[in-house]
Amino acid sequence: DTGVSQDPRHKITKRGQNVTFRCDPISEHNRLYWYRQTLGQGPEFLTYFQNEAQLEKSRLLSNRFSAERPKGSFSTLEIQRTEQGDSAMYLCASSSIGGAHNEQFFGPGTRLTVL
Amino acid sequence: SQQGEEDPQALSIQEGENATMNCSYKTSINNLQWYRQNSGRGLVHLILIRSNEREKHSGRLRVTLDTSKKSSSLLITASRAADTASYFCATAGSARQLTFGSGTQLTVLP
Repeated sequence: DTGVSQDPRHKITKRGQNVTFRCDPISEHNRLYWYRQTLGQGPEFLTYFQNEAQLEKSRLLSNRFSAERPKGSFSTLEIQRTEQGDSAMYLCASSSIGGAHNEQFFGPGTRLTVL
Repeated sequence: SQQGEEDPQALSIQEGENATMNCSYKTSINNLQWYRQNSGRGLVHLILIRSNEREKHSGRLRVTLDTSKKSSSLLITASRAADTASYFCATAGSARQLTFGSGTQLTVLP
């Protein structure tokens, strides 16, 4: 499978716990994006990497959120001290610099439920 | 925050009919893209239209773009039950991220 993969697909956690999600982009893609999607809404941008450099962060990304892409390949998104408002689908996407006008390829998402 | 709005929020049609969804946005764009999302799944890219294009076709899809009105429409012709999904428009400006609308939930009844 050469698409974007995300792990886990579902995560249930208790409020206050830390969670970490992983995204593996399409192998030749050097850009990687994280989005958050709540029920009935479109995805909202969180952060973006070009290779290993985190180039943009949304104001939605509070200091409890941290994302890394240490070797410019897979990325992790960690949420510390989770709150019920963090419950959402977390989507990862990737694209290539030479790609057609920033067409992004999305993974299946990780659905987070904070109890 | 969302870039704009899709209209209608929900659309229900019979198989074989055409479905039209509209999208409005707020800022200048380089291109506008349409994505489909099946329930609880990731997004699938459908079609991209550049800011200097007015109409584009791909199979049963037809997209129009009016930059003076900051609006786009997606037409799905001869709809099928498998077209049932949420459809989102997304704009790409100078920044790399996409800004999505709130989506149209399309239901195609067999």
